[in-house]
Amino acid sequence: DGGITQSPKYLFRKEGQNVTLSCEQNLNHDAMYWYRQDPGQGLRLIYYSQIVNDFQKGDIAEGYSVSREKKESFPLTVTSAQKNPTAFYLCASSTSSSNIQYFGAGTRLSVL
Amino acid sequence: AQSVTQLGSHVSVSEGALVLLRCNYSSSVPPYLFWYVQYPNQGLQLLLKYTTGATLVKGINGFEAEFKKSETSFHLTKPSAHMSDAAEYFCAVSVSLRNTPLVFGKGTRLSVIA
Repeated sequence: DGGITQSPKYLFRKEGQNVTLSCEQNLNHDAMYWYRQDPGQGLRLIYYSQIVNDFQKGDIAEGYSVSREKKESFPLTVTSAQKNPTAFYLCASSTSSSNIQYFGAGTRLSVL
Repeated sequence: AQSVTQLGSHVSVSEGALVLLRCNYSSSVPPYLFWYVQYPNQGLQLLLKYTTGATLVKGINGFEAEFKKSETSFHLTKPSAHMSDAAEYFCAVSVSLRNTPLVFGKGTRLSVIA
């Protein structure tokens, strides 16, 4: 089945540690996105990538980094500079013909 | 810049009653509008979208929404609520149908009472 796979489902970060969230899609979509979801805040854009080897900062990029070396993959690293990383992270992808975004099941990140 | 306002962070309806979730948008150009649904601890699923043409849009699970340019609104309705409709609903806006990020509202949690 085609879709977006996020892993792990749950992730714990220790103080000062970098952690990486995985996002893989087999929909052959050009664009991929990372959103952060906090209760009552909706979804806020962290980074997005419209083509391989290119990406743009979103509204809350500080403390995060991404790479887009393959069309299928768009990993997100939460660095130690992100002082409040506890949230639900959602990855999405879209095709240029409709801009409908398809979402993964999310990764819940907590701080130990 | 675009923005979305969803009136009411929590709406509660009785099973079989009308569901009305409100969404107002701000956009300097003709908008493309979306409604997504999220069940607990899951990703978002598209309910319906408005691009151009007919202003009344029908989606999945019996939901529909009407684009009203004069009111800058895109309210989501369903004639008769079902217990399985309990979820969080997000309205989103985009200024392009090409790969651009969506701007989401803060969401409305729908509870359905038996």
